Amino acid sequence: NAGVTQTPKFQVLKTGQSMTLQCAQDMNHNSMYWYRQDPGMGLRLIYYSASEGTTDKGEVPNGYNVSRLNKREFSLRLESAAPSQTSVYFCASSVTSGGAGDTQYFGPGTRLTVL
Amino acid sequence: QQQVKQSPQSLIVQKGGISIINCAYENTAFDYFPWYQQFPGKGPALLIAIRPDVSEKKEGRFTISFNKSAKQFSLHIMDSQPGDSATYFCAASKRGGTSYGKLTFGQGTILTVHP
Repeated sequence: NAGVTQTPKFQVLKTGQSMTLQCAQDMNHNSMYWYRQDPGMGLRLIYYSASEGTTDKGEVPNGYNVSRLNKREFSLRLESAAPSQTSVYFCASSVTSGGAGDTQYFGPGTRLTVL
Repeated sequence: QQQVKQSPQSLIVQKGGISIINCAYENTAFDYFPWYQQFPGKGPALLIAIRPDVSEKKEGRFTISFNKSAKQFSLHIMDSQPGDSATYFCAASKRGGTSYGKLTFGQGTILTVHP
């Protein structure tokens, strides 16, 4: 039982390049989330998927797209990376959706630098 | 718009002392208030959580105090230990509608406990 896994762990991109961050969970959770963490800003929600087949924007969605490939996998894509997207990205999952109180389980993060 | 404000940004405490971190929220619809703990290089993990129907919740050395009328809640760490050195995030979420258990995080507090 690996929990939430993310790949890659580190990535350096040049401005304008594209890449996809991968996330998978093996806990049979319905909901999955992508956050970015920046110093002094806390964790900000980029996109989330309440259940397989649905996705919706969070607080800071501009410059990102997501795909809920199946119940286990939720990917985040940067189409044209910008230096402002330099951050640590976390994927999380929770059991269910529609109600408060579900623990979110986080992956180990991807540290992305855009030059 | 920062709906959850956390203070202080950083905190230094001596071993055995009490660490106190405060959060204030704006949205009265919030009804679930978790605290997450994050060690360097790791993803956040749930530490303790409270609902607004109680004013205090204690788990070991960790206590949440909740003041609904003031829209504030705080984390107290008693007998702080060097192993408690980490970043702490408060968060809030609300039931129902399209919230889907989305968490709004505070900015984070870096706690350092000196031996």
